[in-house]
Amino acid sequence: DTGVSQNPRHKITKRGQNVTFRCDPISEHNRLYWYRQTLGQGPEFLTYFQNEAQLEKSRLLSDRFSAERPKGSFSTLEIQRTEQGDSAMYLCASTQRRTSGGSETQYFGPGTRLLVL
Amino acid sequence: AQSVTQLGSHVSVSEGALVLLRCNYSSSVPPYLFWYVQYPNQGLQLLLKYTSAATLVKGINGFEAEFKKSETSFHLTKPSAHMSDAAEYFCAVSADNQGGKLIFGQGTELSVKP
Repeated sequence: DTGVSQNPRHKITKRGQNVTFRCDPISEHNRLYWYRQTLGQGPEFLTYFQNEAQLEKSRLLSDRFSAERPKGSFSTLEIQRTEQGDSAMYLCASTQRRTSGGSETQYFGPGTRLLVL
Repeated sequence: AQSVTQLGSHVSVSEGALVLLRCNYSSSVPPYLFWYVQYPNQGLQLLLKYTSAATLVKGINGFEAEFKKSETSFHLTKPSAHMSDAAEYFCAVSADNQGGKLIFGQGTELSVKP
C-alpha cells in the first residue's frame, strides 16, 4: 500500500492555459473522489468515480472542468481556459466501497496546488 | 442536505492543556462523521470516525470524539496537547444516500504554545 499519489504537486500557469492533474489511488480501491480546497476553507466535493463510471458531478464543476478514470485505475482532472479563480489545492481521495456507502474511510493524496497568474 | 459548522476558526492552547474543537452537523438521514487533520502543504489524514456503533470514538494520537445526537454535535478532544498537534482540523459528514462524498466544515487551526 503506497498511498494515494498526485502529480504534479505544484502547477503555475497563465490565465487561459489548460492544465491536467493526475491521481493514482490505492490500487484495490474502486472509488475515487476529487475535491477542491481554497485558502482557509475546507475541501469541497467536485466529482467521484465508481471504477470507470463518473457517478456525480458538483455544480462547482463548470464545463471547463473534465475528469476521467478510463480504466478504473488512475484519474485525470483537466481544467480548460484557466481563470484566476481556479487557483486552489486539488485533492484526490480513494476508498473501497463495500455494501454500505458513506462510512468508508477516504484516503487523501498530498494534493496539487494550482496557481493561475 | 447535509452541512457542518466548526465553531472557532482558530484555537490556541498551551502545551499540556485540554484540546476541544467543536463541530455541529446537520443531516436529514443518519450521518457518518469524521475528523481529519491537515499539516501544511499536505493532504488530509483521518483521526477518527463515527459510523453508528459506539458514540464515544477513539482515534489516533490520543484524540477522541463523542457523538451526541440530541445536540447534533461531534466535538473533538484531547486531554493534553503536544506541540506536534498544531495543524488544521476538519470535521466532515457523509451519508449512505450521498455517494460517500464528504461535506467538510471550514476548519479549525490549532496552535499550541510552549
